[in-house]
Amino acid sequence: EAQVTQNPRYLITVTGKKLTVTCSQNMNHEYMSWYRQDPGLGLRQIYYSMNVEVTDKGDVPEGYKVSRKEKRNFPLILESPSPNQTSLYFCASSLVGGAGSPLHFGNGTRLTVT
Amino acid sequence: GQQLNQSPQSMFIQEGEDVSMNCTSSSIFNTWLWYKQDPGEGPVLLIALYKAGELTSNGRLTAQFGITRKDSFLNISASIPSDVGIYFCAPATGAQKLVFGQGTRLTINP
Repeated sequence: EAQVTQNPRYLITVTGKKLTVTCSQNMNHEYMSWYRQDPGLGLRQIYYSMNVEVTDKGDVPEGYKVSRKEKRNFPLILESPSPNQTSLYFCASSLVGGAGSPLHFGNGTRLTVT
Repeated sequence: GQQLNQSPQSMFIQEGEDVSMNCTSSSIFNTWLWYKQDPGEGPVLLIALYKAGELTSNGRLTAQFGITRKDSFLNISASIPSDVGIYFCAPATGAQKLVFGQGTRLTINP
């Protein structure tokens, strides 16, 4: 089944403790992206990747890191999480970037930072 | 920078009613997409609009790409319980990234 898989689904952590949210897609998509969803703000892009070894900042990249060593994986790294990073995070992928092909989203990771 | 405004932010309706929501922007776009997010899941593409003035239907859903290329609306006719969720507009220009609206949360009373 074609899908985007994120792990974990839920994560509670403390301020400053490094964490990684994994994302994997099995559709051979070139484009991958991370979003955070907050009430009243919609989906805001954190980072995106047009292809392997190519990553770029989105609208809200501060406090986050990503890597794209392989086509299928695009982990999101929070080196020193803070409470304002408490949010619902979505990974998404598409064949190409922009509106050229539809985005496929994972089921989300709900992160709480205390 | 561009401003994207989606309204209403939330709707509470009775089952069977029609629903209308829209997005307006200060910028011109070449594409308008509409996504729906079911509770506990990621958004899924509903409708894609690629030409100004285009009117597209997908079952009970109808969406239009505004003639000015700065707006789009989504209508749902005869709402049913499974229409509950958050609807997002997502305009784009060419290869640029999508921009998502703030979302419209739809709640349906049976």
